[in-house]
Amino acid sequence: DSGVTQTPKHLITATGQRVTLRCSPRSGDLSVYWYQQSLDQGLQFLIQYYNGEERAKGNILERFSAQQFPDLHSELNLSSLELGDSALYFCASSCNNRGLGGYTFGSGTRLTVV
Amino acid sequence: KNEVEQSPQNLTAQEGEFITINCSYSVGISALHWLQQHPGGGIVSLFMLSSGKKKHGRLIATINIQEKHSSLHITASHPRDSAVYICAVRMDSNYQLIWGAGTKLIIKP
Repeated sequence: DSGVTQTPKHLITATGQRVTLRCSPRSGDLSVYWYQQSLDQGLQFLIQYYNGEERAKGNILERFSAQQFPDLHSELNLSSLELGDSALYFCASSCNNRGLGGYTFGSGTRLTVV
Repeated sequence: KNEVEQSPQNLTAQEGEFITINCSYSVGISALHWLQQHPGGGIVSLFMLSSGKKKHGRLIATINIQEKHSSLHITASHPRDSAVYICAVRMDSNYQLIWGAGTKLIIKP
């Protein structure tokens, strides 16, 4: 157990639907990062939150949104899902907003859109 | 051209062989990370380097800042080392991570 908890582990849903992925960071970590890994692709950075505020934005679609709550857990909302959104979605946490202490990764949520 | 290039893309070796995976980058960095992703998908951080060399068990990671190059070595490789090894660099301009495409390693018994 890395200390970063992602739920659910697997999710199958239909095109056009909306899903919410959840991430609880490692205890004491203030930053949460979301990444998308499509089949046989590298990780693509989506978005970073630090202590409740959006810190950096990557290649995140307008159909996707995220937030970090006061208890520091984060949710990634994916709407109007398309087949191409099928991927592994990873969450990582770090203790500061610059990743200076390294990163801890969750085990990912595998999303399948049918 | 990608900012982080890994080679080889795929590597198959026999158990016991010495393995080297390379990572070259073209941006200014404050740190370089080596990570391991197992077939189940989970990602584990192996090393974070800003200079020199680090060793953990059979794994050794080196970085040459001047040449913008890093290597990950595995000594006495074992089938359980089979995984995708990913290099990622933390940019010194905005602290964001840029990821390599990964090297898929298969160690045959």
